[in-house]
Amino acid sequence: GAGVSQSPSNKVTEKGKDVELRCDPISGHTALYWYRQSLGQGLEFLIYFQGNSAPDKSGLPSDRFSAERTGGSVSTLTIQRTQQEDSAVYLCASSLFGNQETQYFGPGTRLLVL
Amino acid sequence: AQTVTQSQPEMSVQEAETVTLSCTYDTSENNYYLFWYKQPPSRQMILVIRQEAYKQQNATENRFSVNFQKAAKSFSLKISDSQLGDTAMYFCAFMNRGSAGNMLTFGGGTRLMVKP
Repeated sequence: GAGVSQSPSNKVTEKGKDVELRCDPISGHTALYWYRQSLGQGLEFLIYFQGNSAPDKSGLPSDRFSAERTGGSVSTLTIQRTQQEDSAVYLCASSLFGNQETQYFGPGTRLLVL
Repeated sequence: AQTVTQSQPEMSVQEAETVTLSCTYDTSENNYYLFWYKQPPSRQMILVIRQEAYKQQNATENRFSVNFQKAAKSFSLKISDSQLGDTAMYFCAFMNRGSAGNMLTFGGGTRLMVKP
């Protein structure tokens, strides 16, 4: 079946603009994760969804970052008033139930803030 | 909090030879999972191998095997008969087996180059 997909693949934006990143998990996977991969910080956890609720938002770096998930499927990560330090690859992963399950990753969105 | 350390930022190996990538971690938990993921230039993180901490037997997947030393908190990856397609970043990752929906904690990665 289809894997995790993310769009756009690449995004260039100007400082101060808002951006939306989309993730389509593997069909039937109830758990969805967002991670950020940057040169300075490595791979960091951002947020976790179980169904449409987000029990763990501990990794969101600031209140400019938010995420939602609708219909237990697609998720959108929104970054408001982007800053240059937001430049990174944003990776989405999904797993069947979330507990003890292997996470499968999408190809990521590379965000560049000018 | 857990930490994962990969002490080898870069490694190289000749095609068909064997290479071992190191990973150590720090945790106070007793039940957890460890993973090795591969990230080629395409950016897609691909699961290589997974180990449950409660299993003493080391996991193997074809040419990939691990040496899991729980007491030493060490989890190295051995790649046998290296192939050009193994060239990638390799990340070691930790997942707490406790409550649901646990995130992965990653090491800094090892860049592996397989030379012809």
